Amino acid sequence: EDQVTQSPEALRLQEGESSSLNCSYTVSGLRGLFWYRQDPGKGPEFLFTLYSAGEEKEKERLKATLTKKESFLHITAPKPEDSATYLCAVQDTDYGQNFVFGPGTRLSVLP
Amino acid sequence: AAGVIQSPRHLIKEKRETATLKCYPIPRHDTVYWYQQGPGQDPQFLISFYEKMQSDKGSIPDRFSAQQFSDYHSELNMSSLELGDSALYFCASSLASGLVEDIQYFGAGTRLSVL
Repeated sequence: EDQVTQSPEALRLQEGESSSLNCSYTVSGLRGLFWYRQDPGKGPEFLFTLYSAGEEKEKERLKATLTKKESFLHITAPKPEDSATYLCAVQDTDYGQNFVFGPGTRLSVLP
Repeated sequence: AAGVIQSPRHLIKEKRETATLKCYPIPRHDTVYWYQQGPGQDPQFLISFYEKMQSDKGSIPDRFSAQQFSDYHSELNMSSLELGDSALYFCASSLASGLVEDIQYFGAGTRLSVL
């Protein structure tokens, strides 16, 4: 059975204080790993897709990396508007295209 | 750009009533997914449709059913509602072109409250 864990559960940063969020996964075969951002009461907003170990993608202050067992979302010099829950999801090659989500990391960036 | 549209945004029902949630995918997307997100929980996959046929099934109760219509919109029908069905219900759509990229784009969700 696929498993996705995320750490930390919650993270408080000062504005400008860089950090990393972790997503560890167990799948039969990785079809893709996805990062989403979710604001309270809203739908998840797509950030990145990663498909193979060693892959990296960047967007503004965010950078996502992938290894064979985990992914990191690095946040450089965060701003208060980066505050949200960051969800990691995986697609398993054995189970079609549906996502298995991790529990998320609640990020708060204080001014 | 057009996004995934869900209706209604909020729904209040009594126990044992029925509810119907609607989802209009991004134009030209052929796959629709339904997820349930309880308070403080991550989204749980319920069911998906590709080209109007059920493609995958997750933890969807037997009291729930869904379908995708000829115009690709989808409806989630929920009967004999229970208090535990109170949650955010998200619909997502994607283009299952067979290529590597099959990103799911989510709607804003329907908040169902069962009293």
